[in-house]
Amino acid sequence: RKEVEQDPGPFNVPEGATVAFNCTYSNSASQSFFWYRQDCRKEPKLLMSVYSSGNEDGRFTAQLNRASQYISLLIRDSKLSDSATYLCVVNRAPGRGYSTLTFGKGTMLLVSP
Amino acid sequence: GAGVSQSPSNKVTEKGKDVELRCDPISGHTALYWYRQSLGQGLEFLIYFQGNSAPDKSGLPSDRFSAERTGGSVSTLTIQRTQQEDSAVYLCASSHQPSGTGYPRADTQYFGPGTRLTVL
Repeated sequence: RKEVEQDPGPFNVPEGATVAFNCTYSNSASQSFFWYRQDCRKEPKLLMSVYSSGNEDGRFTAQLNRASQYISLLIRDSKLSDSATYLCVVNRAPGRGYSTLTFGKGTMLLVSP
Repeated sequence: GAGVSQSPSNKVTEKGKDVELRCDPISGHTALYWYRQSLGQGLEFLIYFQGNSAPDKSGLPSDRFSAERTGGSVSTLTIQRTQQEDSAVYLCASSHQPSGTGYPRADTQYFGPGTRLTVL
């Protein structure tokens, strides 16, 4: 099983639609979770961290289900500018007092007029 | 404030040549990471530096790849005897992650714009 798995998409939605992405991770010891956004030929940028109780940032809502080891991202009222690849990110702790991050391959979202 | 910077932004080289890629992290960030991203692929972890600790080199794909971080700030990634399969975007990131023992949460990583390497 891959460390972080995502549906590559693309998800094609009209403006104003609600769209949800899921991501599964394999390391049950992971403690930090993030969604990053990557525009075409650009570097990844943090969209939001994901907290155990779930969290919301404007039109974006992130949820974490530790029991099932999946993370979700919900985007409401999609905008054209939301078109991008969304990367699910989970920390990996080699047990040496630090952790690094593992990135999923991303889910592509295309929002059309 | 200034973000992570990388140079050059683009590098075209011939197979067999050595290349050096540079990363300047955000001031005060102790952790620095190198990744590469091939066309249409996800980010592949290469190496991690944290303060004065020994780097985590577990992601380096071969002994042709090496990296240094001098003075706890600027880092250079060196690829010797480049091959065509080395063509990718090389991304650097930094974070304000504390060092030490325990189980620290990974902090937010801020990425530079990347160096696009093309090996002919």
